[in-house]
Amino acid sequence: ELKVEQNPLFLSMQEGKNYTIYCNYSTTSDRLYWYRQDPGKSLESLFVLLSNGAVKQEGRLMASLDTKARLSTLHITAAVHDLSATYFCAVDRGGGATNKLIFGTGTLLAVQP
Amino acid sequence: ETGVTQTPRHLVMGMTNKKSLKCEQHLGHNAMYWYKQSAKKPLELMFVYNFKEQTENNSVPSRFSPECPNSSHLFLHLHTLQPEDSALYLCASSLRRGHPNGDIQYFGAGTRLSVL
Repeated sequence: ELKVEQNPLFLSMQEGKNYTIYCNYSTTSDRLYWYRQDPGKSLESLFVLLSNGAVKQEGRLMASLDTKARLSTLHITAAVHDLSATYFCAVDRGGGATNKLIFGTGTLLAVQP
Repeated sequence: ETGVTQTPRHLVMGMTNKKSLKCEQHLGHNAMYWYKQSAKKPLELMFVYNFKEQTENNSVPSRFSPECPNSSHLFLHLHTLQPEDSALYLCASSLRRGHPNGDIQYFGAGTRLSVL
């Protein structure tokens, strides 16, 4: 059974600081997703990582994937308050013509001024 | 706006009621999904439909009954629910896995369900 673990579950950081969220998964997968969720809103796709060593960056967020270690990281550079949200990683369980995502528990990020 | 609309946004129901959640997508996707988001738990995949055909039932109790009349609409019919079924129910849609235009799932804002 595929399991996805994120840590930390809660992260309070100051503006301007850097930090990393970790996502470990238990079995092989060829797709890893990062989503963001603001309170009361839908999940918003941030990144899709499809291969070992993949790195994607958007603004102050950078995601990477190590399929051998079954680890993805979401690095936050020089955090700003607007990045406060809950961040989820999800791994595709695979099989069939549709994605079957298994989500981590999420990391609640609070950026303090 | 993600292109996936869920109604109602909030729903309170008694354990003997019957209600339905609705999801509609305007993205031209062929796959639709129901997820349950409970406090302090990961999102749980409930059902998957591909071109109106159910392809996944993740051991969901029969008091939850999905319906997908076409690729744009998805319903979740609720009957004799329990208080522990109170949660945020999210709908998502996507293109088929591996589609050249990408297969990201787009989520609706969810229906917040409270079972009394």
